[in-house]
Amino acid sequence: ELKVEQNPLFLSMQEGKNYTIYCNYSTTSDRLYWYRQDPGKSLESLFVLLSNGAVKQEGRLMASLDTKARLSTLHITAAVHDLSATYFCAVDRSGSARQLTFGSGTQLTVLP
Amino acid sequence: DVKVTQSSRYLVKRTGEKVFLECVQDMDHENMFWYRQDPGLGLRLIYFSYDVKMKEKGDIPEGYSVSREKKERFSLILESASTNQTSMYLCASTLGGVPYEQYFGPGTRLTVT
Repeated sequence: ELKVEQNPLFLSMQEGKNYTIYCNYSTTSDRLYWYRQDPGKSLESLFVLLSNGAVKQEGRLMASLDTKARLSTLHITAAVHDLSATYFCAVDRSGSARQLTFGSGTQLTVLP
Repeated sequence: DVKVTQSSRYLVKRTGEKVFLECVQDMDHENMFWYRQDPGLGLRLIYFSYDVKMKEKGDIPEGYSVSREKKERFSLILESASTNQTSMYLCASTLGGVPYEQYFGPGTRLTVT
């Protein structure tokens, strides 16, 4: 059974600082997804990582995937308040409908 | 842009009622999914469908059923609502091919009293 673990689960950081969220998963997979969820809202796709060594960047966020280590990271550079949200990673399980298994989420609060 | 819509944003039902949650997507996606989201538990897959009239159980199907009569529409049914089904319900859809990125609806917050 595929398990996906994120850490930390809660993260408070000062504006301007850097930090990394980690996503570990338990079985082989080449595809990993990052989503953002604002309070009371649905999930919005941030990054799709489709192979070992994949790196994607959007603004102050950068995601990477190491399939050998079964690890993805979401790096935040010079955080701003607008990045406050919950971030989920999800791993492709395989199968006909390509189900995803989600981590528990990391609730990020950026403090002024 | 892909659009996934859900029939209600907020719903309050009584224990024992039959509840229908509806999801519609406008991008001709093959696969559709129903999740529930609870604090600290992330998203858990209830049911999914990879074609019209096809359905598969996810990780927590007990107490739920689904219907997919048309490609764009996927309904979640709570046969007899219970208080432990109070949750946020999210529908998602995806194409049949790579990258399998799922697109989510706005969610329905269901309260069962």
